[in-house]
Amino acid sequence: NAGVTQTPKFQVLKTGQSMTLQCAQDMNHNSMYWYRQDPGMGLRLIYYSASEGTTDKGEVPNGYNVSRLNKREFSLRLESAAPSQTSVYFCASSLATGQGGYTFGSGTRLTVV
Amino acid sequence: DQQVKQNSPSLSVQEGRISILNCDYTNSMFDYFLWYKKYPAEGPTFLISISSIKDKNEDGRFTVFLNKSAKHLSLHIVPSQPGDSAVYFCAASARYKLSFGAGTTVTVRA
Repeated sequence: NAGVTQTPKFQVLKTGQSMTLQCAQDMNHNSMYWYRQDPGMGLRLIYYSASEGTTDKGEVPNGYNVSRLNKREFSLRLESAAPSQTSVYFCASSLATGQGGYTFGSGTRLTVV
Repeated sequence: DQQVKQNSPSLSVQEGRISILNCDYTNSMFDYFLWYKKYPAEGPTFLISISSIKDKNEDGRFTVFLNKSAKHLSLHIVPSQPGDSAVYFCAASARYKLSFGAGTTVTVRA
């Protein structure tokens, strides 16, 4: 099924551990994004990549790093997880940055204990 | 500083009636507005959008209205169906960023 694939779907980390969330899209989209969803906060942009080879900070980038590995893949890394990073993480892609309907993955539910 | 606000966290409506979801924004640079629908354990899916040069856009049962002077948009769903029960996010775009509201949970009662 074409779209955005995120792995893993669930993860529990201990404080201080690191991990990488993976995202891949097969729609030949140029732009990719990482959002986090918290209760009462909507979706907040962590990082985005307007095109292959470029990445930029969003609203809440602290504690995260990203890599646009190629046009298809955009990963999000937590170097030293903190309980405040407990959230649901969504990857999305779009043909162009900032406009049109984004296609979202099904999310990664991350708990940091 | 939330630039897109959905002040009603929830809405309950009877099947067959109209659902009206509201959204306010503060950034006058927003030039494109979208609504997304989200079911539990799934990612948001694009529903309908409107450019700032228009004041209305229809797609089947869904209509989005934009009032630029009031910085307000609304989504009308007519008639509401049980499958419409979901969380609806309002979103607005300026340059390279899409900003989302906190969402409104819609429950359609039989």
